[in-house]
Amino acid sequence: GENVEQHPSTLSVQEGDSAVIKCTYSDSASNYFPWYKQELGKGPQLIIDIRSNVGEKKDQRIAVTLNKTAKHFSLHITETQPEDSAVYFCAASLGDSNYQLIWGAGTKLIIKP
Amino acid sequence: KAGVTQTPRYLIKTRGQQVTLSCSPISGHRSVSWYQQTPGQGLQFLFEYFSETQRNKGNFPGRFSGRQFSNSRSEMNVSTLELGDSALYLCASSFLTGGAGNTEAFFGQGTRLTVV
Repeated sequence: GENVEQHPSTLSVQEGDSAVIKCTYSDSASNYFPWYKQELGKGPQLIIDIRSNVGEKKDQRIAVTLNKTAKHFSLHITETQPEDSAVYFCAASLGDSNYQLIWGAGTKLIIKP
Repeated sequence: KAGVTQTPRYLIKTRGQQVTLSCSPISGHRSVSWYQQTPGQGLQFLFEYFSETQRNKGNFPGRFSGRQFSNSRSEMNVSTLELGDSALYLCASSFLTGGAGNTEAFFGQGTRLTVV
């Protein structure tokens, strides 16, 4: 079946440095790629998303890039802060169906003071 | 406005029992999706309901079922519980059909189910 691979599973960076999380998807028909952040004891929350007709999207300190040819997309967080510590999930739509997302296994981001 | 509410927050059940989890979506949202979250496995899609109809189903055994009521509240039932069913069960609501598919999904805090 279709899948999304996410790396690394754990990422530890110094406060102020940048963090990059990468995902690879298998379904060439996928057209929607959201990123969710899950803080301890909470449900995931959408932080940024990108659609297949766009190569890059930015929102303040976070950005997402998409390479449809290689079926890769990445989350970039600059000037990391302690509140960025959380688990981050990438996902890809199952085809263009609007109905289902295939999720990565998550990346635990640790910001060291 | 109020977020997605899941009840109960924590549940301990014995193998072989059944359990019902509840999810109240954001007011006005008609789509409710359910996910199972286990450590290292990410989120596994269970099913999605829209206007009381199951629109999509993940790859889970028939012991997992759900329903949606006319007020969009949804329940999920697991029968004949197994140890491997221990997980965080998350519910997500969205305005349009498609669950988390191409519109933003708002997640509840989840129900932590422990099967002993």
